[in-house]
Amino acid sequence: DVKVTQSSRYLVKRTGEKVFLECVQDMDHENMFWYRQDPGLGLRLIYFSYDVKMKEKGDIPEGYSVSREKKERFSLILESASTNQTSMYLCASSLEFRYGYTFGSGTRLTVV
Amino acid sequence: SQKIEQNSEALNIQEGKTATLTCNYTNYSPAYLQWYRQDPGRGPVFLLLIRENEKEKRKERLKVTFDTTLKQSLFHITASQPADSATYLCALEETGGFKTIFGAGTRLFVKA
Repeated sequence: DVKVTQSSRYLVKRTGEKVFLECVQDMDHENMFWYRQDPGLGLRLIYFSYDVKMKEKGDIPEGYSVSREKKERFSLILESASTNQTSMYLCASSLEFRYGYTFGSGTRLTVV
Repeated sequence: SQKIEQNSEALNIQEGKTATLTCNYTNYSPAYLQWYRQDPGRGPVFLLLIRENEKEKRKERLKVTFDTTLKQSLFHITASQPADSATYLCALEETGGFKTIFGAGTRLFVKA
């Protein structure tokens, strides 16, 4: 069974901390994505990557950065966590759009 | 601007009835449209993809239609069961490729 694994289900961090969210996929997919999901706003794309060491900004990249050193791993970094970054973070990977996305279980991040 | 709209009000139906969910879009000309299921606290799960040249797609109790003239997709669950209770999201590939845009989803409740 193919999988996208996110390192933590729940995280609580303090304002100003640097936060790392890790995502690993075992499907050899080239495309990987980070979304955040908030009630009433749906999924919003933060960053995506279509190849190792490549990254593209999504719709809401401010306050975030990403790293993709290996094909299977895509990390999201909150440089200095703020309370408005409290959210559910979802990682996904895909071969191509027409095959659908495979999502991880999500990380619920609370910044206090 | 490009936009996807799903009914934000929850849909409540009785077990055994057909549930119909709507996805409308504007300023897109998508080649494909996807539907996902999301359970509370989990990542979305890919269900079905329909191509622009397909009017209808079926998978077990699921049926999706795609009307490119109306710019609308309908998602049907026949003989609905309480286990079908979840949020259902539609998604389109943004013109130009790479990025997928998700609707905010419609919550479905199936009562026994």
